[in-house]
Amino acid sequence: EDQVTQSPEALRLQEGESSSLNCSYTVSGLRGLFWYRQDPGKGPEFLFTLYSAGEEKEKERLKATLTKKESFLHITAPKPEDSATYLCAVQSNSGYALNFGKGTSLLVTP
Amino acid sequence: ETGVTQSPTHLIKTRGQQVTLRCSSQSGHNTVSWYQQALGQGPQFIFQYYREEENGRGNFPPRFSGLQFPNYSSELNVNALELDDSALYLCASSDGQSSNTEAFFGQGTRLTVV
Repeated sequence: EDQVTQSPEALRLQEGESSSLNCSYTVSGLRGLFWYRQDPGKGPEFLFTLYSAGEEKEKERLKATLTKKESFLHITAPKPEDSATYLCAVQSNSGYALNFGKGTSLLVTP
Repeated sequence: ETGVTQSPTHLIKTRGQQVTLRCSSQSGHNTVSWYQQALGQGPQFIFQYYREEENGRGNFPPRFSGLQFPNYSSELNVNALELDDSALYLCASSDGQSSNTEAFFGQGTRLTVV
């Protein structure tokens, strides 16, 4: 059974203080690993898809990396507007469902 | 390009009632998936429709059912509502014919069962 574990559950950073969020996964054949951002009461906003180990993608202050067992979302010099819950999900080759972790709640203070 | 839209945004129902939630997929997308997100949890997959056929289902009872229409919009129906059905219901659309499997979510419907 596919499993996704995100850590930490919550993270508080000061503006400009870089850090990383972790997503550990087990899946029977990875089709893709997805990162989403979710603001309170809103739907998840797509950030990145990673398909194979060694792949990296960047968008503004965010950089996502992938190994065979985990993915990291690196946040460089975060700003208060980066505060949100970041969700990781995997999709296996055997289906189309996204299997989500519980998310990391990020708070960036001025 | 229009995004994924869901209606209504909020809904309050009584235990035992039935509810229908609606979703319009993103322009050019033929696949719609539904997810349930309880407070503090990640979204849980309910089912997926591709070209009007259900082609995947998560661990949800039969009282959760759905439809997809020729214009690729979709409905989620829940019968005999229970208190635990209170959640944010999310619809996601994607292009089932593309190797790019990215799914884009709507803003969700907040269902409260009392």
